[in-house]
Amino acid sequence: GAGVSQSPSNKVTEKGKDVELRCDPISGHTALYWYRQSLGQGLEFLIYFQGNSAPDKSGLPSDRFSAERTGGSVSTLTIQRTQQEDSAVYLCASSLQPPGQRYGYTFGSGTRLTVV
Amino acid sequence: KQEVTQIPAALSVPEGENLVLNCSFTDSAIYNLQWFRQDPGKGLTSLLLIQSSQREQTSGRLNASLDKSSGRSTLYIAASQPGDSATYLCAVTSRDDKIIFGKGTRLHILP
Repeated sequence: GAGVSQSPSNKVTEKGKDVELRCDPISGHTALYWYRQSLGQGLEFLIYFQGNSAPDKSGLPSDRFSAERTGGSVSTLTIQRTQQEDSAVYLCASSLQPPGQRYGYTFGSGTRLTVV
Repeated sequence: KQEVTQIPAALSVPEGENLVLNCSFTDSAIYNLQWFRQDPGKGLTSLLLIQSSQREQTSGRLNASLDKSSGRSTLYIAASQPGDSATYLCAVTSRDDKIIFGKGTRLHILP
């Protein structure tokens, strides 16, 4: 696609439910990143994919968070048993090649998650 | 551990003025530095990308400089307009492939 597409754009869920957030990167971009932006906070790194593998999962805040990427394209971030502190905007970015040395990164518009 | 700091956290200037936003980083071993713009409720829009071997990049009224040895970058906005009002984020790509962001500068251009 022309840009990085994220869905849904907004998600309201009850505490304890599982949610799945989707990121569709720019076609041909091998590197994919997930970030979280909480209210009034900076961007927090979650996970980085190169192709289908995740060389860096160090940012995932707990074992309730997991992510996968299939076919070197679409990625899904799953949050199990959501908590109110998970409420944030989840942003996805992709890059033509790791680690974006020449081309920089393109971000999606994000998914705003609200846990009630 | 790489840390990125942006000063000031917020800035209000009258329309038409030139302004400078500052970004500093603690580890000079970076691949590149990128400036982004974020409008309320929206994603990030890339403004300028400076490779570690470069000193500056220009796009229209925007000019970004990079002094890697001192760990500093500036974003210069000429002849500011109300449409420039947004949060400006600085991000460095470290040698461990992570993108580390500053917390941003909230810019408000007064009509």
